[in-house]
Amino acid sequence: DVKVTQSSRYLVKRTGEKVFLECVQDMDHENMFWYRQDPGLGLRLIYFSYDVKMKEKGDIPEGYSVSREKKERFSLILESASTNQTSMYLCASSLKLSLLWTTEAFFGQGTRLTVV
Amino acid sequence: KNEVEQSPQNLTAQEGEFITINCSYSVGISALHWLQQHPGGGIVSLFMLSSGKKKHGRLIATINIQEKHSSLHITASHPRDSAVYICAVTLGSNYKLTFGKGTLLTVNP
Repeated sequence: DVKVTQSSRYLVKRTGEKVFLECVQDMDHENMFWYRQDPGLGLRLIYFSYDVKMKEKGDIPEGYSVSREKKERFSLILESASTNQTSMYLCASSLKLSLLWTTEAFFGQGTRLTVV
Repeated sequence: KNEVEQSPQNLTAQEGEFITINCSYSVGISALHWLQQHPGGGIVSLFMLSSGKKKHGRLIATINIQEKHSSLHITASHPRDSAVYICAVTLGSNYKLTFGKGTLLTVNP
């Protein structure tokens, strides 16, 4: 059974803290993604990675960074958490079949982060 | 303007009804995805399609590339189908998904 696992379901952090959200997939996928989901705004892409040590900014990268040191793990880092980063964070992965084609995306269960 | 528009935003049905959720997109795509999200849960991929029609159990997804439109149908709906259904597209050679805002489906017994 394919799996994308996020390290925490619920997280509460204080303003200014450095926060790490971890995502691990066991499908040997090249592509990994971090999204945040907010009511009325839907899912928005923060960062994605199409290979180890490669990363690209998504639509809303401000205030975030990422790390992909190993193929199976993609970490999202909030350098200094702020209350407007309170959200549901979702990790996803997909297999790159060719330059133009990928498989369907597989999602983790999500991390609901509250910054107080 | 969002590149992916879904309708309706909210849908309430009685158990057994036939349900249709629509998705329109404004640019050329390489694939369209239908996703399901239960309350508090993660997202599950239902379909990925680039042409024609796919069926899985009581769920059917169709796409019309010329009209840039897709529909998700649920036959004989059941309360366990209650969830948010999200349409997403992959644009060209870009691996990123662009999402619609979702349709909240509630099926009453």
